[in-house]
Amino acid sequence: LAKTTQPISMDSYEGQEVNITCSHNNIATNDYITWYQQFPSQGPRFIIQGYKTKVTNEVASLFIPADRKSSTLSLPRVSLSDTAVYYCLVGPSGNNNAGNMLTFGGGTRLMVKP
Amino acid sequence: EPEVTQTPSHQVTQMGQEVILRCVPISNHLYFYWYRQILGQKVEFLVSFYNNEISEKSEIFDDQFSVERPDGSNFTLKIRSTKLEDSAMYFCASDPGTANEKLFFGSGTQLSVL
Repeated sequence: LAKTTQPISMDSYEGQEVNITCSHNNIATNDYITWYQQFPSQGPRFIIQGYKTKVTNEVASLFIPADRKSSTLSLPRVSLSDTAVYYCLVGPSGNNNAGNMLTFGGGTRLMVKP
Repeated sequence: EPEVTQTPSHQVTQMGQEVILRCVPISNHLYFYWYRQILGQKVEFLVSFYNNEISEKSEIFDDQFSVERPDGSNFTLKIRSTKLEDSAMYFCASDPGTANEKLFFGSGTQLSVL
């Protein structure tokens, strides 16, 4: 399983764009990159997933360079409620890998200030 | 929006007692997981379950742990003889089984072993 490295913490202010970068140097060809958000005392919540280039949904964008050795989660115009821990996970796709041991790293603790 | 439901939200038990944590995954999901998070630490994989059997398990998931899907809706985690170090938040997750893994987590059961 590809190991991921993220900054331990980041601070931002309301209304700013936040970019959190994750390194995954030994990502495998069939690995996807998935980001989760976790609020205190709650379970992680899926944010976005991608394989290459750029993916955008109503919550965030995910930028993946051609070599796929890193990825950047972009949160546009953050608010106080975006204060949470953000996890980058890398794991294989496909139903033939049922029940993969998706491993959470330490995550990035984002603090949004007023 | 469908969600994973966990009961109870809090469980207090005496060391050496057996506990059963219950989960109702999202209907029609195919893969089921248990994770735990000790206070202040990262989310740790325990076990994955597919087609009525364990797919993968971590080193944490030793002989005192077991999982079961007794009917078509519930997914349980049993800890046979609890230890102090089992105190943690336990999260259940399910995955629809589409091409890419996307976990939906419950809100967790806070287990306190005294």
